[in-house]
Amino acid sequence: GAVVSQHPSWVICKSGTSVKIECRSLDFQATTMFWYRQFPKQSLMLMATSNEGSKATYEQGVEKDKFLINHASLTLSTLTVTSAHPEDSSFYICSAKGLAGDNEQFFGPGTRLTVL
Amino acid sequence: GQNIDQPTEMTATEGAIVQINCTYQTSGFNGLFWYQQHAGEAPTFLSYNVLDGLEEKGRFSSFLSRSKGYSYLLLKELQMKDSASYLCVFQTGANNLFFGTGTRLTVIP
Repeated sequence: GAVVSQHPSWVICKSGTSVKIECRSLDFQATTMFWYRQFPKQSLMLMATSNEGSKATYEQGVEKDKFLINHASLTLSTLTVTSAHPEDSSFYICSAKGLAGDNEQFFGPGTRLTVL
Repeated sequence: GQNIDQPTEMTATEGAIVQINCTYQTSGFNGLFWYQQHAGEAPTFLSYNVLDGLEEKGRFSSFLSRSKGYSYLLLKELQMKDSASYLCVFQTGANNLFFGTGTRLTVIP
């Protein structure tokens, strides 16, 4: 099956700093990538959808200026959490979708962010 | 609105069969997925149903009734490694997935 990687797998940072998370599709071209956030014992919540070469579409309640998404190529999307605060501590998961008409999303292993 | 209901926790015995039920409400529907998620890990795909009926894949089977807004995941010959959360997820429109909070399954010896 298709493989999606994320880097880093975990990160600890100080409040006020920015953190960049990379999501890569390793063996397929991802026309669409998704960013999710999951707080402990809660469901995954979609943050934004990004298509290569265009601006990301953010879900209601997600600050686009705080969570910067760049989908620079068909194999790479990045999420930057700017001026991170403790309440941003969460498990961030990306997923990628390949060919049009293919409904399956392939998930990355996730990045656990802890903001001190 | 959109909503998914599934039991919060279930316990079953190794070697047994367990059925995890899911009911959903949505105005737009483009398929239903079941994912398995171990603690601290990303979800992994188990099954996808877009038409009514039963889809069987090894020890796992998934059923869908669109008219009833109902699905279930059936796990046979339970193994200890099957202890995980099972997420009922529906797809609305072309891309968006709506996740339930999951059913935490504990398999006991």
